[in-house]
Amino acid sequence: QQQVKQSPQSLIVQKGGISIINCAYENTAFDYFPWYQQFPGKGPALLIAIRPDVSEKKEGRFTISFNKSAKQFSLHIMDSQPGDSATYFCAASREGSGGSNYKLTFGKGTLLTVNP
Amino acid sequence: EAQVTQNPRYLITVTGKKLTVTCSQNMNHEYMSWYRQDPGLGLRQIYYSMNVEVTDKGDVPEGYKVSRKEKRNFPLILESPSPNQTSLYFCASRKDRESNQPQHFGDGTRLSIL
Repeated sequence: QQQVKQSPQSLIVQKGGISIINCAYENTAFDYFPWYQQFPGKGPALLIAIRPDVSEKKEGRFTISFNKSAKQFSLHIMDSQPGDSATYFCAASREGSGGSNYKLTFGKGTLLTVNP
Repeated sequence: EAQVTQNPRYLITVTGKKLTVTCSQNMNHEYMSWYRQDPGLGLRQIYYSMNVEVTDKGDVPEGYKVSRKEKRNFPLILESPSPNQTSLYFCASRKDRESNQPQHFGDGTRLSIL
């Protein structure tokens, strides 16, 4: 059972364009939604995260949009640069009481290529 | 520098030969976990540890063991490796059990089991 579905699997964008990666989740108890960025040969690193009490969070060129009713969230990369080329993972988890793992459930990843 | 260190980074071995992948973190983190990354499958959790001597299974624990005798170390043990365990492995740590803490990953260990 895949609890976090991510699309597209791969994405090619021209320099200066907007990259959009989408995720959908099933578990309505999820209340923390981070995005991780992974460069080749490196481990994933936290990029930006959001909680469902806000519909959007922006950090520089990176924005998370969150739609609680649709159980969807997305990452937008404005003015995409070749240095943004990486694999992006969305994730979800449940904070607070209940559940002993407090684990992150990851999407399957999106390979982003930004052409110069 | 805050980091999670995995060793080895690359290993080619044969079926049935026991191996250990070490993981060490220098951030005094309570929570540590192991993931495997496979094409098209993303990151799947193998085992996790809430603190010293507290470990539990993740989503894909079959064929793996772990131990947490010290807070900083969390080795992954493959007692009898098989080809289906060929994968890219990541160790990760975070401050405590709360999942809203940033999770710090090592740079990965690529295992090939022949």
